[in-house]
Amino acid sequence: ETGVTQTPRHLVMGMTNKKSLKCEQHLGHNAMYWYKQSAKKPLELMFVYSLEERVENNSVPSRFSPECPNSSHLFLHLHTLQPEDSALYLCASRKAGPNTGELFFGEGSRLTVL
Amino acid sequence: GESVGLHLPTLSVQEGDNSIINCAYSNSASDYFIWYKQESGKGPQFIIDIRSNMDKRQGQRVTVLLNKTVKHLSLQIAATQPGDSAVYFCAENIRGGSYIPTFGRGTSLIVHP
Repeated sequence: ETGVTQTPRHLVMGMTNKKSLKCEQHLGHNAMYWYKQSAKKPLELMFVYSLEERVENNSVPSRFSPECPNSSHLFLHLHTLQPEDSALYLCASRKAGPNTGELFFGEGSRLTVL
Repeated sequence: GESVGLHLPTLSVQEGDNSIINCAYSNSASDYFIWYKQESGKGPQFIIDIRSNMDKRQGQRVTVLLNKTVKHLSLQIAATQPGDSAVYFCAENIRGGSYIPTFGRGTSLIVHP
């Protein structure tokens, strides 16, 4: 139990569906991340919310839309996805600051796009 | 371009042996490095970290070595156990910017009983 909870753990959706992934952290952290993990590829950063600043990977398609309503919750809204978007989506959190380091990851949401 | 990579995709060892997992990085601006362990069906978990002002750091059964001259990082696991079987990632962070670590591809460690 890392203190970062992701739901759903598994999601199967068609290309015309709209769905959302949810992440919640109970660690008092103030930075949250979305990563995409595909087979045989490095973890790919998608979005970061830190101290009210948002950083995004410009290569992420617009069919992925993040939302961070507060420091404890993070969403990834999915719309008209493609089969190549099938992957494990990992949420992570961190206490932002100069002397803090590691990310705390959730167990991921396994997404399959048909 | 800048990259973080691992030399071997798979490492097989016998229980009780010592394991060494390697990582190369190419960005000389990186100043903070972390090793993560990812077990099947779980997210990555922090193992140990090291800052660029150090060349060695020890934890419980794990040691990280940093060689800034050749931009190389290694994770040593002593007396490897079946529970150590997982994928191991190194990550680097570059000073002066937002905290956005870059991850390597991962090495799969398989421990045979």
